[in-house]
Amino acid sequence: GDSVTQMEGPVTLSEEAFLTINCTYTATGYPSLFWYVQYPGEGLQLLLKATKADDKGSNKGFEATYRKETTSFHLEKGSVQVSDSAVYFCALTVYGQNFVFGPGTRLSVLP
Amino acid sequence: EAGVAQSPRYKIIEKRQSVAFWCNPISGHATLYWYQQILGQGPKLLIQFQNNGVVDDSQLPKDRFSAERLKGVDSTLKIQPAKLEDSAVYLCASKRAVFDEQFFGPGTRLTVL
Repeated sequence: GDSVTQMEGPVTLSEEAFLTINCTYTATGYPSLFWYVQYPGEGLQLLLKATKADDKGSNKGFEATYRKETTSFHLEKGSVQVSDSAVYFCALTVYGQNFVFGPGTRLSVLP
Repeated sequence: EAGVAQSPRYKIIEKRQSVAFWCNPISGHATLYWYQQILGQGPKLLIQFQNNGVVDDSQLPKDRFSAERLKGVDSTLKIQPAKLEDSAVYLCASKRAVFDEQFFGPGTRLTVL
């Protein structure tokens, strides 16, 4: 079946450090890829998405590029802030059905 | 635009008891999802509705879990009887169309003692 693998956390960084959270996937069809974020005490929110190979999703300084050849969708940000502390989930869906989430990566940013 | 509403926000029950959760999706959203999120894990899809029909319930433990979406709007998820391993946050999400973004509710945190 379809699956998503993420790097294990927690990830602890200092403010203004560079962030990478790795995500790889397996899918039986052609998936759309997503990053969701869950801030402390809040619900899941869509951070960014990409629907076809080589697409780059971006939002709030975060970016991720859909790499079909490596089945990856790594999340990056050039300079993290304390307010970016949250749990980040990589997810996929094929034709809008059967959403599959990764286990999540907790990010803590220290001032 | 109002978001996805869920109630209750918290529920504590003893094993073998029954419990029900309610979800009101965003107005006009045809697709509704129920997810189970166990502590430290990502959400796992339990059931997906399109209007009032079931699209996918392959991961719903049907011996104890049931869900319905009457009139294609509100939905309820029931667990009967509950087990200790059902302790989790139950998330409801909805979206307007197939390739649209899904919006999540705040979740119901269930603790089974």
